[in-house]
Amino acid sequence: EAQVTQNPRYLITVTGKKLTVTCSQNMNHEYMSWYRQDPGLGLRQIYYSMNVEVTDKGDVPEGYKVSRKEKRNFPLILESPSPNQTSLYFCASSYRGRGPGDNEQFFGPGTRLTVL
Amino acid sequence: DAKTTQPNSMESNEEEPVHLPCNHSTISGTDYIHWYRQLPSQGPEYVIHGLTSNVNNRMASLAIAEDRKSSTLILHRATLRDAAVYYCIPPAGNTGKLIFGQGTTLQVKP
Repeated sequence: EAQVTQNPRYLITVTGKKLTVTCSQNMNHEYMSWYRQDPGLGLRQIYYSMNVEVTDKGDVPEGYKVSRKEKRNFPLILESPSPNQTSLYFCASSYRGRGPGDNEQFFGPGTRLTVL
Repeated sequence: DAKTTQPNSMESNEEEPVHLPCNHSTISGTDYIHWYRQLPSQGPEYVIHGLTSNVNNRMASLAIAEDRKSSTLILHRATLRDAAVYYCIPPAGNTGKLIFGQGTTLQVKP
């Protein structure tokens, strides 16, 4: 089954304790991205990657890091989480084709993160 | 970034058609319009996208106005499972970024 998986699905942590949220897709997609969803603010893009070893900032990259060493994986790293990073996080992937904006994007089920 | 305008909420009865409108007066002539939806406690899900003419797939139809300043997502027979937030999304550009506004919350009544 074609899918995007995220782990963990739920996480409660404390300020400053480094964490990684994993994202994996089995569709051989070149393009992957991370969003966060907050009440009243909608979904906002954090980082995106056009292909292996190619990453770039989205609209709200502060406090986050990403890496793309393999095509299927795109982990989101919070080096020193803070309470304002409490949010619902979604990973997405798609083919690049003419451009990732022209293609269907597949989203993961989400990771609900709480930073105390 | 281009913008879209949608009603905050709509209601429908089960088994009836639903027409979800969207205004996108700022998009250019080569930009696709995408629709996604988000069911409760799930990630966004692609519904349909189109450029100029009407588009159909197994989930829905998309009617795009001739001047491309608006479009309408049509669910032919709403089911309870179609209750979700529906997002009309302007062109993502080269970054692939999907701009999710507030969307339209669709309530389906049995």
